[in-house]
Amino acid sequence: EDQVTQSPEALRLQEGESSSLNCSYTVSGLRGLFWYRQDPGKGPEFLFTLYSAGEEKEKERLKATLTKKESFLHITAPKPEDSATYLCAVPLIQGAQKLVFGQGTRLTINP
Amino acid sequence: NAGVMQNPRHLVRRRGQEARLRCSPMKGHSHVYWYRQLPEEGLKFMVYLQKENIIDESGMPKERFSAEFPKEGPSILRIQQVVRGDSAAYFCASSPTGGQEQFFGPGTRLTVL
Repeated sequence: EDQVTQSPEALRLQEGESSSLNCSYTVSGLRGLFWYRQDPGKGPEFLFTLYSAGEEKEKERLKATLTKKESFLHITAPKPEDSATYLCAVPLIQGAQKLVFGQGTRLTINP
Repeated sequence: NAGVMQNPRHLVRRRGQEARLRCSPMKGHSHVYWYRQLPEEGLKFMVYLQKENIIDESGMPKERFSAEFPKEGPSILRIQQVVRGDSAAYFCASSPTGGQEQFFGPGTRLTVL
């Protein structure tokens, strides 16, 4: 069964304390992996797409990387405004348009 | 360029009533997706539509739920005879073509009393 698992479920960091979020997947024939950010009461906001192992994308304090079985979202020197739930999702091979989401990592950055 | 728009943002219905949720995709996007997020759960795919066509409705309950994306106007997700278990946030997303990044709207939060 196609599955996406994110860890940890929740993470509390101090401002400036770097860390990484994990997204592992079991999908036959990966056709991209997407990272989103979701703030409370809002819709997911698109961050990155990764297509092949070894690929990296960066945006401000965030960097996403991809291997054959998992992706990492690295957060460098985070600020309180980076607090949010981070979601990863993969499209199913049989229905590339159908995204399967992980449960998300709820990140809290304390000032 | 306006993003994906959804209305209403909040909807309260009593058990047995009908709920209609609307979604206007981003300009130039002809692919629309509906997802549901139950409290404390992840986003779950419901249905994928292109103009006037339902492409994949495998995630949508077969009873009481329907979706359309007419040639003119927004996409509509319709829930008939709502029950308390339908209470959730319903998100619409759009993309210019299938298989690309999906951009999400702010969601409609449905509460069934």
